[in-house]
Amino acid sequence: AQSVTQLGSHVSVSEGALVLLRCNYSSSVPPYLFWYVQYPNQGLQLLLKYTTGATLVKGINGFEAEFKKSETSFHLTKPSAHMSDAAEYFCAVSGRGTGNQFYFGTGTSLTVIP
Amino acid sequence: EAGVVQSPRYKIIEKKQPVAFWCNPISGHNTLYWYRQNLGQGPELLIRYENEEAVDDSQLPKDRFSAERLKGVDSTLKIQPAELGDSAVYLCASSFGETSGGRETQYFGPGTRLLVL
Repeated sequence: AQSVTQLGSHVSVSEGALVLLRCNYSSSVPPYLFWYVQYPNQGLQLLLKYTTGATLVKGINGFEAEFKKSETSFHLTKPSAHMSDAAEYFCAVSGRGTGNQFYFGTGTSLTVIP
Repeated sequence: EAGVVQSPRYKIIEKKQPVAFWCNPISGHNTLYWYRQNLGQGPELLIRYENEEAVDDSQLPKDRFSAERLKGVDSTLKIQPAELGDSAVYLCASSFGETSGGRETQYFGPGTRLLVL
């Protein structure tokens, strides 16, 4: 079975500062990994995903994440935070077998300070 | 292209009343999911459909929850009777591909926010 742990339920950064949101997964085999963003009163929107190939994945809105098998991590980063980045961020894992069940982390709320 | 459509967006009911949520997935997506998201938590899967077949409903509280996807397109999730603890956001998602091994992106609707009084 797969699971994800997001370290830090709340993260605050200054506008223009580096954003780092942490995600560690637990899986017997390398899973598929996803980051989603959720703005208030909206559904989840995909930021990026890792399935195979290059371990550094670039997504929308300037976000990227790196799959590190040795650390079982998939941390999300952005070099310079914008006010519009304030939202809830969810890391998710899915297995490589048949079926498509996602397991979501508990989320990290990002606050951007002007 | 339209995204996943859900209605209603908000619903307030008294406990023991029934309630139903509707979802229309993205056209061509044969996999449909219902999730429940409690406050401050990530979404948790309730049921997954491949076309009209429910292939994973292990987390669905079957004593009070039911779901259907009769024609393999839109779906309805019902709670009867509702309890206070059912207050949450109910999210619908869809994806393309049945046996893709989990790599297909799930696209989410805006959710239905349920408050049970």
